[in-house]
Amino acid sequence: EIVLTQSPATLSLSPGERATLSCRASQSVSSYLAWYQQKPGQAPRLLIYDASNRATGIPARFSGSGSGTDFTLTISSLEPEDFAVYYCQQRSNWHFGQGTRLEIK
Amino acid sequence: EVQLVESGGGLVKPGGSLRLSCAASGFTFSNAWMSWVRQAPGKGLEWVGRIKSKTDGGTTDYAAPVKGRFTISRDDSKNTLYLQMNSLKTEDTAVYYCTKLLNWYFDLWGRGTLVTVSS
Repeated sequence: EIVLTQSPATLSLSPGERATLSCRASQSVSSYLAWYQQKPGQAPRLLIYDASNRATGIPARFSGSGSGTDFTLTISSLEPEDFAVYYCQQRSNWHFGQGTRLEIK
Repeated sequence: EVQLVESGGGLVKPGGSLRLSCAASGFTFSNAWMSWVRQAPGKGLEWVGRIKSKTDGGTTDYAAPVKGRFTISRDDSKNTLYLQMNSLKTEDTAVYYCTKLLNWYFDLWGRGTLVTVSS
């Protein structure tokens, strides 16, 4: 079973800064990885699929990269609405990482 | 409007049963692979199970913690997805999200329905 490990658990940054979130798979998932954003009290939202493709309506400040076992979600310049929890997910068994909380510094 | 709306959550005793429903609209439900994802209070996301479209065989698959206790079904004539939950345990307490799958990713989510298993 493939396990996804996200780091850091919590990331404290200020609006306007660049955020870099990591997701590592226990074995290769090729490029079959997605990223989701979840705000408090809301359902998750698909941001990135197949490692680097933005979902419909997702702003260009969100980008994904990586392949194999190491993946990165980058938010180029944080907006106030970007502070949330982010999950990665691989498609071989639909499992999620444990999440990274992005909080305002 | 493209949306998923869950219903049927509530309080149930350990060992009890509950059936969740998910009404879909705004897309061709019969062609969609559908799934349930849950989130225990203050915890992360956990995939529960999925059902393929009937044209793709209509088969189901479940996560290990719910296999043999939960059953996913669909009624394409009603654009509705179901989750039958039996032999419920306290650890099944969670918000249950209905989701649509697109190329094995969850591209549409409902708002969720809370299931609380407690005596």
